[in-house]
Amino acid sequence: DADVTQTPRNRITKTGKRIMLECSQTKGHDRMYWYRQDPGLGLRLIYYSFDVKDINKGEISDGYSVSRQAQAKFSLSLESAIPNQTALYFCATSDIYGYTFGSGTRLTVV
Amino acid sequence: QQQVKQSPQSLIVQKGGISIINCAYENTAFDYFPWYQQFPGKGPALLIAIRPDVSEKKEGRFTISFNKSAKQFSLHIMDSQPGDSATYFCAARTLTTGNQFYFGTGTSLTVIP
Repeated sequence: DADVTQTPRNRITKTGKRIMLECSQTKGHDRMYWYRQDPGLGLRLIYYSFDVKDINKGEISDGYSVSRQAQAKFSLSLESAIPNQTALYFCATSDIYGYTFGSGTRLTVV
Repeated sequence: QQQVKQSPQSLIVQKGGISIINCAYENTAFDYFPWYQQFPGKGPALLIAIRPDVSEKKEGRFTISFNKSAKQFSLHIMDSQPGDSATYFCAARTLTTGNQFYFGTGTSLTVIP
């Protein structure tokens, strides 16, 4: 099994719908992150969590929310999806040596 | 404000050539500098990393050169191969704010046969 598992891998949704992206990890790390990737813009941090009781906004949190259900689980929700949220979304964990990323969720909002 | 500045945004290299990607930073609290490699449809994966007490680290065809006084580091890919075509991210870590990493904006490398 992958160290960081994201579901779904691909999703097409309609404008205005609520959608949840899920992430689970087997690394045993406390820290988890959600990033979005757009061509030419690199990785932009949406939310991060340093432990189950600690949730922090990243640079582009508007329109998103998260839930840290357990040390191993961190989900990202789009409350009311809009087309400019079409992107590749990555969940990651980290320790002092760096990040382990999931394989990504490709989200298309039509 | 971008903590780690990466260039170029894209790079095309002939097979067998040398690919060079550069990163620069200002924060002297950075103490560890990893590079990540991302293939299409995959998440970034750790490729190679360096600490600032050494000027160079080599792993196979991949070398990081580090210039502490200039606050710059670079990734060199020797004998570049089409299979190296990917997006590369540099990153920097600081422990002063509790183990935080900052990423560059990425370089899309294409190695043409």
